[in-house]
Amino acid sequence: ETGVTQSPTHLIKTRGQQVTLRCSSQSGHNTVSWYQQALGQGPQFIFQYYREEENGRGNFPPRFSGLQFPNYSSELNVNALELDDSALYLCASSLSLAGGYNEQFFGPGTRLTVL
Amino acid sequence: AQKITQTQPGMFVQEKEAVTLDCTYDTSDQSYGLFWYKQPSSGEMIFLIYQGSYDEQNATEGRYSLNFQKARKSANLVISASQLGDSAMYFCAMREILQGAQKLVFGQGTRLTINP
Repeated sequence: ETGVTQSPTHLIKTRGQQVTLRCSSQSGHNTVSWYQQALGQGPQFIFQYYREEENGRGNFPPRFSGLQFPNYSSELNVNALELDDSALYLCASSLSLAGGYNEQFFGPGTRLTVL
Repeated sequence: AQKITQTQPGMFVQEKEAVTLDCTYDTSDQSYGLFWYKQPSSGEMIFLIYQGSYDEQNATEGRYSLNFQKARKSANLVISASQLGDSAMYFCAMREILQGAQKLVFGQGTRLTINP
């Protein structure tokens, strides 16, 4: 059973550019959540995808968007990058079942630097 | 909305000693879940322990235990016999339902340093 993987590991962009981050969920998982972790802070929920649809979104502007593919892998896209977008972006996968808590398994993250 | 507060930015402990990391929470829900994660410098969030609000006993997982005091709304993590490999950031988190999604709300974290 493979764990959650993310690519790339590190990324440097300049203000105004666009970026795509990728996440492969753990085998058997159907839900992917994305979190942004600024330096010295706890992770903040961006959004969650279940069966290729966004089913929950945190307090992030529309320039943060995502996709989930039929194999349950996911992408996070950020347009018009700002300096404050510099952060560690964490992907977490889970198996959504009716009722109860769906434990989230985190990937190693992508560290994005915006210059 | 749920809120998690961790008031210790950093903790320094001698190897083999026990350490308690503080966490208080705020919620109006009757049913909720509390989590602790470890984040080494590599960045990955590693699940340590879970406590449900209706669990009658404090959760334990090996050297980790959770001191759950519901009336005080606290869920402190206790690490017994600390090891050098325990040096990392530790986050307390709470489950929240948002528009159908189950998300985690994290505190600010505590950086634990184990000294030899």
